[in-house]
Amino acid sequence: ETGVTQSPTHLIKTRGQQVTLRCSSQSGHNTVSWYQQALGQGPQFIFQYYREEENGRGNFPPRFSGLQFPNYSSELNVNALELDDSALYLCASSVWQGVSPLHFGNGTRLTVT
Amino acid sequence: AQSVTQLGSHVSVSEGALVLLRCNYSSSVPPYLFWYVQYPNQGLQLLLKYTSAATLVKGINGFEAEFKKSETSFHLTKPSAHMSDAAEYFCAVSRNSGNTPLVFGKGTRLSVIA
Repeated sequence: ETGVTQSPTHLIKTRGQQVTLRCSSQSGHNTVSWYQQALGQGPQFIFQYYREEENGRGNFPPRFSGLQFPNYSSELNVNALELDDSALYLCASSVWQGVSPLHFGNGTRLTVT
Repeated sequence: AQSVTQLGSHVSVSEGALVLLRCNYSSSVPPYLFWYVQYPNQGLQLLLKYTSAATLVKGINGFEAEFKKSETSFHLTKPSAHMSDAAEYFCAVSRNSGNTPLVFGKGTRLSVIA
């Protein structure tokens, strides 16, 4: 069983740039969620994708956007990066309406300078 | 709205001592509660979850948690701490046991002293 994989593991960007983070779901999972974990904080829900559509969004501005592909992999895009976007971005996969909990990847550490 | 409060951002125990990490929740609907552990430079790993089947929940690595509705608490315990338990622990609440968004607490860092 293949777990959730994220790429890249680390990334450094400059304020104002755009970034794309990638996630491959665990085998058999059809739902992807993204979380932002700032330093010293718990993860915060960004959004969730099911059937290639956004299905639920947390308190994040529109410059945070995502995609889900037919193979259930996903991308998180952030435009116009701000210093406060520096964080660990976690992807989690699950089965839609299933009873199994989320399975998390190891995250992408984004640093904005 | 749902929320989680973890009391104590840092807990330090001696190896072999009892581990107690505190979590209180707020939820307008019957909650589903989770404890996750995060080791350095890694993602989150599920320790255990409460889904209303039993109030005492046993998880991996010898951890367990008790759901107390009257106290709105879901504290995590382990009878005897091991050095490998040193990590960050997060309590989370959700409206169901599956894939609705988790609301996390700020985390408690557990240190284990030899």
